Amino acid sequence: GAVVSQHPSRVICKSGTSVKIECRSLDFQATTMFWYRQFPKQSLMLMATSNEGSKATYEQGVEKDKFLINHASLTLSTLTVTSAHPEDSSFYICSAGLAGGGDTQYFGPGTRLTVL
Amino acid sequence: RKEVEQDPGPFNVPEGATVAFNCTYSNSASQSFFWYRQDCRKEPKLLMSVYSSGNEDGRFTAQLNRASQYISLLIRDSKLSDSATYLCVATDRGSTLGRLYFGRGTQLTVWP
Repeated sequence: GAVVSQHPSRVICKSGTSVKIECRSLDFQATTMFWYRQFPKQSLMLMATSNEGSKATYEQGVEKDKFLINHASLTLSTLTVTSAHPEDSSFYICSAGLAGGGDTQYFGPGTRLTVL
Repeated sequence: RKEVEQDPGPFNVPEGATVAFNCTYSNSASQSFFWYRQDCRKEPKLLMSVYSSGNEDGRFTAQLNRASQYISLLIRDSKLSDSATYLCVATDRGSTLGRLYFGRGTQLTVWP
C-alpha cells in the first residue's frame, strides 16, 4: 500500500513552454502533498506544500506564478512549470502522507525535466 | 545554516565492512527523524525511523542524541546492494504530517 505515482517520468521541452507534472496517491487519500526539487548532487529542496481544496504554501524563493500547483482532489496534485527555462531543468519529486500516519511520507518516482 | 548537515562522503567500503554515517540537525524543536535511501536518479525510500532509544532493523542501527542534536546510522556486514545515497531527515512535527528537512546525503559504494 501507500503508492504514489508521478507522470510523466521524463520530459524534454523547449524553452518557453509549460510542463505539467501529475502526482497521484494510488491507494490512499492524501490531504497534503509536497513538491520537491533536486539538482544534481544536492539535497531535496521543498518547493511547496499542497493542501487539497486550498492554495498551496510556497517556500521562500519559489515563484508561485511560475510553479503553479493545483490540488483539486484527495488523490491528485499537479505542478505546472510555466515558461520553462534551462535553469528549471531538475528532478521534481512529490510526496504524500497518510492521514493520521504521523510523519511518514511516501515519494513518487520523480519527474526528470530537461529544458532545452 | 542548513537544517540538516551530513558528510557527503563518498564512503567506499568492501563487502562485509561496517560503516557509520553521522548527521546533525540545527532545530532543537525537531520531533521526528528518519533515514532515507536514494538510488541514482530515483526517488528517496524510507529506510528507517530513528528513535531516542535507538533502534535496529536487521543490519541497520539508528541512534538519536537529542542533547547533541546528532543522528547516526550504522550498517553492518555491508552488501553490494547497500550502495546508494543515504539521506538524513528531520521534521518539526511528530504527530501530524510535517515538512521534511533533508540533508544533502552521504554516498556509499560497497565494492566486492
